[in-house]
Amino acid sequence: EAQVTQNPRYLITVTGKKLTVTCSQNMNHEYMSWYRQDPGLGLRQIYYSMNVEVTDKGDVPEGYKVSRKEKRNFPLILESPSPNQTSLYFCASSAWTADGEKLFFGSGTQLSVL
Amino acid sequence: GQNIDQPTEMTATEGAIVQINCTYQTSGFNGLFWYQQHAGEAPTFLSYNVLDGLEEKGRFSSFLSRSKGYSYLLLKELQMKDSASYLCAVYYNTDKLIFGTGTRLQVFP
Repeated sequence: EAQVTQNPRYLITVTGKKLTVTCSQNMNHEYMSWYRQDPGLGLRQIYYSMNVEVTDKGDVPEGYKVSRKEKRNFPLILESPSPNQTSLYFCASSAWTADGEKLFFGSGTQLSVL
Repeated sequence: GQNIDQPTEMTATEGAIVQINCTYQTSGFNGLFWYQQHAGEAPTFLSYNVLDGLEEKGRFSSFLSRSKGYSYLLLKELQMKDSASYLCAVYYNTDKLIFGTGTRLQVFP
């Protein structure tokens, strides 16, 4: 089954403790991206990657890192999490389909930083 | 800067028709998406418009006017399960994507 797998689904951590949210897709998509979703602000892009070893900042990259060493994986790294990074995070990959350009989202990670 | 506007909330009755508007201002335009998102779940794809005009897909249709920076999503024969947030997003400058804050639609019996 074609899917984007994101883990963990829920994560509670403390300020300053490094964490990684994993994202993997099995559709051989070149484009992958990370978003955070906050009430009243909608989905905001953190980082995106056009292909292996090619990453670029989105609208809200501060405090986050990403890597794209393989096509299928695009982990999101928070080196020193802070409470303002408490949010719902989505990973997505995209490709052209018969319906046009389509984003496929992971199931989300609800992160709480205490 | 880049901006997308859509109404925050809308209500409608089961069986009715509802139109959700979206206006955008972006530097460049490659396409416009509509996504549906139920509470606590990931967004799911509804439509992608690149050219002006109306695209119909079952009960859902999406319209685009590039000259006016305007789109709408039309939902017909509303069902209770259509209660969700509807996200408008614009793809611009080849590799940038911006989402609106979403329109929360509540369908009542």
